[in-house]
Amino acid sequence: KQEVTQIPAALSVPEGENLVLNCSFTDSAIYNLQWFRQDPGKGLTSLLLIQSSQREQTSGRLNASLDKSSGRSTLYIAASQPGDSATYLCAVSGNTPLVFGKGTRLSVIA
Amino acid sequence: GAVVSQHPSWVICKSGTSVKIECRSLDFQATTMFWYRQFPKQSLMLMATSNEGSKATYEQGVEKDKFLINHASLTLSTLTVTSAHPEDSSFYICSASKEGDTEAFFGQGTRLTVV
Repeated sequence: KQEVTQIPAALSVPEGENLVLNCSFTDSAIYNLQWFRQDPGKGLTSLLLIQSSQREQTSGRLNASLDKSSGRSTLYIAASQPGDSATYLCAVSGNTPLVFGKGTRLSVIA
Repeated sequence: GAVVSQHPSWVICKSGTSVKIECRSLDFQATTMFWYRQFPKQSLMLMATSNEGSKATYEQGVEKDKFLINHASLTLSTLTVTSAHPEDSSFYICSASKEGDTEAFFGQGTRLTVV
């Protein structure tokens, strides 16, 4: 059974810092991995999708990497801003529908 | 991009009543839609897979008679919470994927409060 773990559970950083969020999964037989952002009480916003054959994807200040063999992904956020404050979820898609981690709650302090 | 619209965004209902939540794919056809539930500070948990024109597949521990799913068209799936109780209060989110694509697109979510 696929399990997804995200570390840390919460993170607080000053504005302008670069930061890394970690995601690990137990079953490497995945189709893709997605990173989402969730604002309080809101739905999910897809940030980046990495196919199983890819190593990384970039969008603006965000860079996500995937090491399928070791079951790890990282989301790198450059030059963090207060508007980046949210919960970041990673989810993997394989033989079953998306399996989500519990998320990392990020606070960027101005 | 692909847009999934979920309605309502929030609802308060009395214990014992039923509530229907709609999930629509606005600019693509979705043969399969998924319903998730999220309790505070918890991850999203898959409740059921909704297939157009057939019965939904429920995850273990999810009562199919309580959470009725109807996927009557390629752009609409509904989740009805029947005889709602306070413990059903949660955030419900649907997602859909384009046929042949594994990327998931999510609705805005519905916050259900049962009083």
